[in-house]
Amino acid sequence: EAQVTQNPRYLITVTGKKLTVTCSQNMNHEYMSWYRQDPGLGLRQIYYSMNVEVTDKGDVPEGYKVSRKEKRNFPLILESPSPNQTSLYFCASSRTLYPGGSYNSPLHFGNGTRLTVT
Amino acid sequence: AQTVTQSQPEMSVQEAETVTLSCTYDTSESNYYLFWYKQPPSRQMILVIRQEAYKQQNATENRFSVNFQKAAKSFSLKISDSQLGDTAMYFCAFMKPFLGGAQKLVFGQGTRLTINP
Repeated sequence: EAQVTQNPRYLITVTGKKLTVTCSQNMNHEYMSWYRQDPGLGLRQIYYSMNVEVTDKGDVPEGYKVSRKEKRNFPLILESPSPNQTSLYFCASSRTLYPGGSYNSPLHFGNGTRLTVT
Repeated sequence: AQTVTQSQPEMSVQEAETVTLSCTYDTSESNYYLFWYKQPPSRQMILVIRQEAYKQQNATENRFSVNFQKAAKSFSLKISDSQLGDTAMYFCAFMKPFLGGAQKLVFGQGTRLTINP
């Protein structure tokens, strides 16, 4: 089954304690991305990756790190979490759009990680 | 930068009624895609419908249809014969496709829709 798998589903931690949220996809997608969802703000992009070893900042990258050492994995790292990073996080993946192609590869989302930082 | 606005934070209708969710966006691009995503309590992000800006015909998927007004930059979602399972948060999203590039979605704030029995 084609899917994006995020772990953990729920995470409660304390300020300053490093954590990693894992994301893995089995569709051989080049593009992967992280979003955070907050009430009244919708989803905002944190980081994205076009392929292995290629990552770039999204709209709200402060306080986050990512890596893309393998095509299937795209972990989100919070080196020193703070309460303002309490949020619902989504990983997503898709194929890259190539010349002559139409957009028939929508983003596939993971099931989300609810993070609480106290 | 593109922005997406959903002006209805919450809506509530009776089962079997028709409901329309509003979405407006701001862009200077001529070629782009628009989406409606559904997020039920399970937190899954489920693609409901998508519209390509260069297509004048409004997209339809079963009970879901859109009213795409390109000049007005409006993209509303109509749900006909609403069902209890339609209860969810609905997000409108915009994407400008870059060939060989990032498929970044810009989301609206969301509309929480409740279908009452």
